[in-house]
Amino acid sequence: AQKITQTQPGMFVQEKEAVTLDCTYDTSDQSYGLFWYKQPSSGEMIFLIYQGSYDEQNATEGRYSLNFQKARKSANLVISASQLGDSAMYFCAMREGMFSGGYNKLIFGAGTRLAVHP
Amino acid sequence: DTEVTQTPKHLVMGMTNKKSLKCEQHMGHRAMYWYKQKAKKPPELMFVYSYEKLSINESVPSRFSPECPNSSLLNLHLHALQPEDSALYLCASSQVSFGRGEAPEAFFGQGTRLTVV
Repeated sequence: AQKITQTQPGMFVQEKEAVTLDCTYDTSDQSYGLFWYKQPSSGEMIFLIYQGSYDEQNATEGRYSLNFQKARKSANLVISASQLGDSAMYFCAMREGMFSGGYNKLIFGAGTRLAVHP
Repeated sequence: DTEVTQTPKHLVMGMTNKKSLKCEQHMGHRAMYWYKQKAKKPPELMFVYSYEKLSINESVPSRFSPECPNSSLLNLHLHALQPEDSALYLCASSQVSFGRGEAPEAFFGQGTRLTVV
């Protein structure tokens, strides 16, 4: 069965510094996708970045990059140049069977609360 | 701005009440979802609709009744809820076909904060 593990309940970082949020996963499927979402206190889940299991390059989206190490089954999120607005809950999620199309059955990790200090 | 709109944003209801949560999207997505999120926990999938048909019910109690009247709308009808059902209810939508290399992300609404008294 698929599983997502986020071992850091809370992290803090100084403004303008980089921070890495850890995510490990377990799946027996060869085709899967990994997602990171940000959830501010308002409640909305905001999509940040996606990595497919067959993607050879690590995904990047602006200040967000995903450090994908397939053999270690890890998909860590790196936020560069942290901003005060980055303070939020961050969830790693996975979907199996990426290339069969259809709906996204996402399994979420427990989340990491990030606090950015001025 | 979110492209998935949920109403109401907040709801307080008694255990004998009947209420409905509404979700709307106009992105042409043919998959829609209901998630339940308790405080300090990750979202948990409740229901999935694909092409307006119920595809997944994650063993949700019958006091929660989903409905997908058309490809843009998703409702969650609530009846005889318990205080432990108090939570943030999130609606999401996604496309069902995508090319390799495309990010098939789910778009979420801001949620309805439900309190059962």
